[in-house]
Amino acid sequence: EAQVTQNPRYLITVTGKKLTVTCSQNMNHEYMSWYRQDPGLGLRQIYYSMNVEVTDKGDVPEGYKVSRKEKRNFPLILESPSPNQTSLYFCASSLGWGDTEAFFGQGTRLTVV
Amino acid sequence: AQKVTQAQTEISVVEKEDVTLDCVYETRDTTYYLFWYKQPPSGELVFLIRRNSFDEQNEISGRYSWNFQKSTSSFNFTITASQVVDSAVYFCALRPPKAAGNKLTFGGGTRVLVKP
Repeated sequence: EAQVTQNPRYLITVTGKKLTVTCSQNMNHEYMSWYRQDPGLGLRQIYYSMNVEVTDKGDVPEGYKVSRKEKRNFPLILESPSPNQTSLYFCASSLGWGDTEAFFGQGTRLTVV
Repeated sequence: AQKVTQAQTEISVVEKEDVTLDCVYETRDTTYYLFWYKQPPSGELVFLIRRNSFDEQNEISGRYSWNFQKSTSSFNFTITASQVVDSAVYFCALRPPKAAGNKLTFGGGTRVLVKP
């Protein structure tokens, strides 16, 4: 089954404690992205990757890091989480440009206290 | 710059009523792609439809229909004879060609509550 898998689904952490949210896709997609969802703002892109070892900032990259060492995996790293990073996070992958559908993971609800 | 506006933040209807969700977009590109996603209470994002800017035909899929009007930069979504299972947040999104990172620009979402 084609899917994007994120872990964990829920996470409560304290300010400053480094964490990683994993994302894996089994569709051999080149393009992967991380989005955060906040009330009234929809989803906003944090970082994206166009292929292995090719990553770049999206619209809201501050406080986040990513890596793409393998095509299937695209982890999101918060080196020193802060309360304003409390949000719902989605990983997405897609095959190509344009009208290709983006497949989303199940979401990770992160709370930073 | 791309922008998507969903002016209705929440709509409440009684089962079997029709409900229309508005989506207005802004882009300077002549070619672009529009999408609708559904987010049920369980939280995942479910793809509903894609449309490219050259295809202005309206589309119907069961109780769902979409009205794309390029002249007014709108891509509205109608649920006919709503059901409780339609309760969700619905997002409209825009993607220009060759968008950096294949980025989707989302509207703020419209929460639909269908009461029995």
